[in-house]
Amino acid sequence: QVQLKESGPGLVQPSETLSLTCTVSGFSLTSYSVSWVRQPSGKGPEWMGRMWYDGDTAYNSALKSRLSISRDTSKNQVFLKMNSLQTDDTGTYYCTRDRSGDDVMDAWGQGASVTVSS
Amino acid sequence: DTVLTQSPALAVSPGERVSISCRASEGVNSYMHWYQQKPGQQPKLLIYKASNLASGVPARFSGSGSGTDFTLTIDPVEADDTATYFCQQSWNDPPTFGSGTKLEIK
Repeated sequence: QVQLKESGPGLVQPSETLSLTCTVSGFSLTSYSVSWVRQPSGKGPEWMGRMWYDGDTAYNSALKSRLSISRDTSKNQVFLKMNSLQTDDTGTYYCTRDRSGDDVMDAWGQGASVTVSS
Repeated sequence: DTVLTQSPALAVSPGERVSISCRASEGVNSYMHWYQQKPGQQPKLLIYKASNLASGVPARFSGSGSGTDFTLTIDPVEADDTATYFCQQSWNDPPTFGSGTKLEIK
């Protein structure tokens, strides 16, 4: 079945870089796109960016200067790196599978909780 | 960015019908989707492209609307439907989410 799982450090120092990995199974990264979505506690989700099935990337303009998304198709992994973290970057980070054509996020990982604190 | 506005909270009794609204600041065609998020869990797709039921979702859930005004309806409501419901559009870039409607079952 379709599964996505986020992994990475739970605590990041202010001004440091966040690195997260999304490991997928049950589908191919060359057939489906994968997005990163984050959600501060008690608030609505925010789309961060996408790794398209063809290897192209798209970013939320609000985060573009700090964000990088890449992948390793041989390992079925998508990576997120975001630099210059601040306390308002604290939240849960999800990766999602996005359907081609309508970009519906039809499967979500369990989420990775990230706290930015010294 | 396209702003999606939802009412913050609703409370209904089991067996009743509830409608949750989402208004977009600009047209999104039919590219509005609905997700259910229970406490401590990831969001789960319920409805895609305004009115299409996602796989495995009970027929008690339905969606309607186009353009800027959309509605998620649950009929009849069950105790297990306690959750926060988010709308999300994928017509305009970037994709955006509403702030969510918290549904309480009395």
